[in-house]
Amino acid sequence: NAGVTQTPKFRVLKTGQSMTLLCAQDMNHEYMYWYRQDPGMGLRLIHYSVGEGTTAKGEVPDGYNVSRLKKQNFLLGLESAAPSQTSVYFCASSYVRQGYGYTFGSGTRLTVV
Amino acid sequence: QQQVKQSPQSLIVQKGGISIINCAYENTAFDYFPWYQQFPGKGPALLIAIRPDVSEKKEGRFTISFNKSAKQFSLHIMDSQPGDSATYFCAASKGDMRFGAGTRLTVKP
Repeated sequence: NAGVTQTPKFRVLKTGQSMTLLCAQDMNHEYMYWYRQDPGMGLRLIHYSVGEGTTAKGEVPDGYNVSRLKKQNFLLGLESAAPSQTSVYFCASSYVRQGYGYTFGSGTRLTVV
Repeated sequence: QQQVKQSPQSLIVQKGGISIINCAYENTAFDYFPWYQQFPGKGPALLIAIRPDVSEKKEGRFTISFNKSAKQFSLHIMDSQPGDSATYFCAASKGDMRFGAGTRLTVKP
């Protein structure tokens, strides 16, 4: 099925460990986004990309890095995980950036202990 | 500081009733206002959206009402069904999409 695929679906990390979350889309969308979802906070934008090889900071970028080496993939990295990064992470993509709905993946639930 | 404020946090409605969720925004540059529906364990999915040049948009049982002067918009779910039980997010966009905190809707049979 066409859409946005996130891996892994669940992960438990120890404080200080690193990991990479992978997002893949097969809709040929130019724009991709990483959000985190926390109770009572809605979805907050971490980083986004307007095309292959480009990335930009969102609302809450500290502690995260991203890369978009291929148009279909957008990677989110945590270099040194902290308990404050415990969250559900969603990747999304869109055909255009403005005035258009996003297609979301099913999320990655990350717990940092 | 949240740019899109959503209320209520949770809502319980009887089957067949009307569910109403409200949102207010601050940035007058926003020009696209979608609503997303999220079921447990799933990502948000686009439900319905409106642009500020219209005051209302209806799709089936779902209606967005938009008040540009008050900087408010709302989602109305008519004839609410147990299958509508989900978390609903409003959002506003001018480039970046900013989301409200979400409303957990429960429709009781």
